[in-house]
Amino acid sequence: GENVEQHPSTLSVQEGDSAVIKCTYSDSASNYFPWYKQELGKGPQLIIDIRSNVGEKKDQRIAVTLNKTAKHFSLHITETQPEDSAVYFCAASPFTGNQFYFGTGTSLTVIP
Amino acid sequence: GAGVSQTPSNKVTEKGKYVELRCDPISGHTALYWYRQSLGQGPEFLIYFQGTGAADDSGLPNDRFFAVRPEGSVSTLKIQRTERGDSAVYLCASSSRGGGAGNEQFFGPGTRLTVL
Repeated sequence: GENVEQHPSTLSVQEGDSAVIKCTYSDSASNYFPWYKQELGKGPQLIIDIRSNVGEKKDQRIAVTLNKTAKHFSLHITETQPEDSAVYFCAASPFTGNQFYFGTGTSLTVIP
Repeated sequence: GAGVSQTPSNKVTEKGKYVELRCDPISGHTALYWYRQSLGQGPEFLIYFQGTGAADDSGLPNDRFFAVRPEGSVSTLKIQRTERGDSAVYLCASSSRGGGAGNEQFFGPGTRLTVL
């Protein structure tokens, strides 16, 4: 099955700086890559996703890049704000699959 | 509109007891998923329903775990003879079309299960 690795496990940045979280996956059949934000005591919430037919997608301060050849994808958050502090999970899913395979999470702290 | 809801939010039980966890998906969503999230880990897939049937239960760890969705809406995850290792947050998600295939999954807040 698919194996998703995520780095770093923790990340601290100053408010206004950028944050980058990286994930790798193993199954070349994976073609959908969502990113979720999870705040304490809440369920994961989708913040951005990308499909394998594009290399980059941007939504305001958040962007995701995908390199299918290298099997890795990254989340970029610019102009970070304290409310961006949370745990972020990447995931991968094959087109014919029924589940998401999640990374182990990155705890992001934005220091005011 | 209303999102995915799960009850109870917290459940404390003793080793060996039986528990039921409930999930109310977003109205009209045909696909429903159960995941388990241990401390410091990402969610791990347990089972997927398309309508009333379990289309994929490959993630259930053993036969103590069972889930139903009799009317294609609400689902119940049932755990028999609970063990301390079952302690985790159990997450439910729903999706409008099902499959992994690029269909967004909307997660509920989870049920935190603690087995003493």
